[in-house]
Amino acid sequence: EIVLTQSPGTLSLSPGERATLSCRASQSVSSNYLGWYQKKPGQAPRLLIYGASSRATGIPDRFSGSGSGTDFTLTISRLEPEDFAVYYCQQYGSSRPYTFGQGTKLEIK
Amino acid sequence: QVQLVESGGGVVQPGRSLRLSCAASGFTFSSYGMHWVRQAPGKGLDWVALIWFDGSDKYYADSVKGRFTISRDNSKNTLYLQMNSLRAEDTAVYFCARRNHFNWGSFDYWGQGALVTVSS
Repeated sequence: EIVLTQSPGTLSLSPGERATLSCRASQSVSSNYLGWYQKKPGQAPRLLIYGASSRATGIPDRFSGSGSGTDFTLTISRLEPEDFAVYYCQQYGSSRPYTFGQGTKLEIK
Repeated sequence: QVQLVESGGGVVQPGRSLRLSCAASGFTFSSYGMHWVRQAPGKGLDWVALIWFDGSDKYYADSVKGRFTISRDNSKNTLYLQMNSLRAEDTAVYFCARRNHFNWGSFDYWGQGALVTVSS
């Protein structure tokens, strides 16, 4: 099983600031199979990034993804009030189970 | 637009069964694989099961293997999760999600979730 470890656990920032979220895998993950999701309480998870760096349909360009191998990053360039949520990375490749990281909570400072 | 709507959640005693449904609309359901994912209270996302577009292959997390069964009825555009021998640790919100094979298999659309509470 591929274990994904996200850091930090909680990130406290202000609107307008830049957020950098990290996801580290216990073994190499093909970039094609790494995604990022946003989750707000009571709402469905929302796909932000697939293939490590491709934005999903309708996702603003302030969200970007990068990385390869075992280290991946989600960057939000200028935080908007609606961006404060929990973010999960996930690997969905041929290695089942399809694991998620434990999440990074992005909170308003 | 793509819509996924779960139903069938509720409170159930340990050891009993429950079946969740996920009604799909806005896309050609029979062309897509589908997942179930759950989130226990205060916890993260946890993948449960996958079924291939035509039902020919099914995969499960070890934690539910032998107890849960994923199925689909493409004539009704509906995905199911039959949950037997339920345990307290199965308490969670259960989401259905579409597998987008055009985007390397990412989970691109999700339902709002159905709450399952296992308690005596």
